[in-house]
Amino acid sequence: KQEVTQIPAALSVPEGENLVLNCSFTDSAIYNLQWFRQDPGKGLTSLLLIQSSQREQTSGRLNASLDKSSGRSTLYIAASQPGDSATYLCAVREAGSARQLTFGSGTQLTVLP
Amino acid sequence: DAGVIQSPRHEVTEMGQEVTLRCKPISGHDYLFWYRQTMMRGLELLIYFNNNVPIDDSGMPEDRFSAKMPNASFSTLKIQPSEPRDSAVYFCASSPQNGRGGTDTQYFGPGTRLTVL
Repeated sequence: KQEVTQIPAALSVPEGENLVLNCSFTDSAIYNLQWFRQDPGKGLTSLLLIQSSQREQTSGRLNASLDKSSGRSTLYIAASQPGDSATYLCAVREAGSARQLTFGSGTQLTVLP
Repeated sequence: DAGVIQSPRHEVTEMGQEVTLRCKPISGHDYLFWYRQTMMRGLELLIYFNNNVPIDDSGMPEDRFSAKMPNASFSTLKIQPSEPRDSAVYFCASSPQNGRGGTDTQYFGPGTRLTVL
C-alpha cells in the first residue's frame, strides 16, 4: 500500500528565505505527483503536477522536482513571502487506471514578516 | 466557472441524525471524488465516480456512509446514523477525463465542516 510522508510537519522561516519541502513515497510505480496548497478553512489548490516521466515543473517562484526511483519529491519556494504561509500537501497517483490520490499529512509553513 | 460547490459549509448535528452533504462539480468534469480530512488521519479518499458511476468505494468507512451521483452535476454523501467520530471536514473534488497536456488535476471544493455532538 502506498504511503506518503512529508517532513517536516511544520516550518517557520523569515520572509525572503528560500526553502525546501520534502515528500517521500514508498511505491515508485506512480503515474504522477502533485503539490497542493491548503489555506486554513479552505479547500486544496493544485500548485504543480509532475508526470512520472518528468523531473521537474516550475511555476513562478515554485519549483517541484521528482526522483521516482528514490521515491522523493521536493517543493522549492524562492524568496518566501508571508502570503506563502499555508499547509502544503503532496499527493501521488499510482500507475494504472485508478484515479485516486494518496496524500501526505502536509507541512505547515509560516513565513514571518 | 464557479468551481466545485459544496453545501452546507458547516453542519452541526446530534448523534443518530441523518446528514446529507452535497456537491456540484465543475461542468464538463468526468470524475468526482469525496474525501474526508481529520487531524488524526489526514486526507482520505472515501469514494470516486467516473461518468456518474461509482468506481472505488473501498474508502467508505462503513455501511452508515453512502454516496450517489444521479447526474453529472450533482452528488451527495449521506451518513445515517451519524456518530461523533464522523466529525471532520468533507471535501468534494472533480477532475476532467484528460486535462490540458494530459494532466488530471483535481479541483477541490471549500469543504463541509461536520460536527456531530
